[in-house]
Amino acid sequence: QQQVKQSPQSLIVQKGGISIINCAYENTAFDYFPWYQQFPGKGPALLIAIRPDVSEKKEGRFTISFNKSAKQFSLHIMDSQPGDSATYFCAAYVNYKLTFGKGTLLTVNP
Amino acid sequence: EAGVTQSPTHLIKTRGQQATLRCSPISGHTSVYWYQQALGLGLQFLLWYDEGEERNRGNFPPRFSGRQFPNYSSELNVNALELEDSALYLCASSLKGLSNEQFFGPGTRLTVL
Repeated sequence: QQQVKQSPQSLIVQKGGISIINCAYENTAFDYFPWYQQFPGKGPALLIAIRPDVSEKKEGRFTISFNKSAKQFSLHIMDSQPGDSATYFCAAYVNYKLTFGKGTLLTVNP
Repeated sequence: EAGVTQSPTHLIKTRGQQATLRCSPISGHTSVYWYQQALGLGLQFLLWYDEGEERNRGNFPPRFSGRQFPNYSSELNVNALELEDSALYLCASSLKGLSNEQFFGPGTRLTVL
C-alpha cells in the first residue's frame, strides 16, 4: 500500500529550466511534508519542507506548492543547474514516521 | 557539527548469516530511525528508537531487530539473511519532539550472496 505517490520517475531538464516533481498522498492525517535530495553514495539530505496550513514555501531556487484539497504537493526547482542532478524524494509525516515516495531521478543537462 | 555516522560502509554476507549495522546520531539527538532503501522500492521505515526503547516498527519480519544504547547510538541486526535483504540501510536521527526533522547518515550497503 503506497501512501505517497511520486511522479515522474525520471526527469531530464536543460540548464536554466524549471524542474517540477509531483507527489500525491492519501492519508489526511499527514501534517508535515519534506523533500529530500540524495546524491549517489550519500544519504538523503533534507531540502525544504512545508506544513499543510501553508500553500507555498520558497527557499532560494526551491519552492514547494501545496494543495490540501487535492492532497497534492510539488517541488519546483527554478534555474536548474547540473549540480542539482540527484534523486529527489517527497515524504509525508505523521506519528513519528516518515512515508516516502519512490523518488525522481533528475538530470540537468549543461 | 558532525552528522549522522554509520558503519560499516559496505557489508557482504551470505544467506543465513547475521548482519550488524551501527549508527551514531548527531550530538544532542535522542531518536534514531532505521530505513531500508532497496532498488526500486524507495525508503521503507524499519524501526524507531527513542531514549533506549523501541517506539515503533515498520512492516518487516522479527528477524530485523535492534537496540539503542545509553549514548543514543544504535545497532540494527538482521538475522537469517535472505537475498532480498540486499539494500542500502539508512539511519536517521532527530531531536526529541522533532521527529518530523530527520537527518540521515550515508548508509550501509548490505549485499547478501
